Amino acid sequence: GQQLNQSPQSMFIQEGEDVSMNCTSSSIFNTWLWYKQEPGEGPVLLIALYKAGELTSNGRLTAQFGITRKDSFLNISASIPSDVGIYFCAGRRLSGNTGKLIFGQGTTLQVKP
Amino acid sequence: SQTIHQWPATLVQPVGSPLSLECTVEGTSNPNLYWYRQAAGRGLQLLFYSVGIGQISSEVPQNLSASRPQDRQFILSSKKLLLSDSGFYLCAWSESVNTGELFFGEGSRLTVL
Repeated sequence: GQQLNQSPQSMFIQEGEDVSMNCTSSSIFNTWLWYKQEPGEGPVLLIALYKAGELTSNGRLTAQFGITRKDSFLNISASIPSDVGIYFCAGRRLSGNTGKLIFGQGTTLQVKP
Repeated sequence: SQTIHQWPATLVQPVGSPLSLECTVEGTSNPNLYWYRQAAGRGLQLLFYSVGIGQISSEVPQNLSASRPQDRQFILSSKKLLLSDSGFYLCAWSESVNTGELFFGEGSRLTVL
């Protein structure tokens, strides 16, 4: 099925560094969600975005709904070891597809203490 | 508050044996329910979704089936497992198919030998 283009695929960074990842689509979306998954667990919702241009923060995490409605990014500031995991974007198209979420392939984040 | 629980957490089954994974949601009525499969820790593939009791939509042809015998219960089954059925299975719920966030259970790791 259709999937979002999420990049980068993986990141290995030093503790304290900032992180940025993004998702793009050829379709217009009306919802963007960002999840974090730790090994052996289900994804946990981090941030939900519903309006074009919306910028939302959750602690050190900031996500934005792209103005074109075709992309979104997630930033993590001052990374810490517990940020390790796989981050997924998910989007819901504006029309068609019965409104089901489409997921990106994930960005694996590793943080070196 | 709403909670979602799935079990068993881990399952090792021989090829050709049956499968039953269960998922229940508490704290909400008439949720939309979903089964996803995740291979190799990346990518979420939607297998089934249900908008009500007895209503099941299949997203991909496969060796698995789903049932919803009660409002907040969703079951994933197979009569005869294949090696390719191995993976991490995630149950999820949402208030609406077309809007809102998706919330995941803890996941069930299935290994078919």
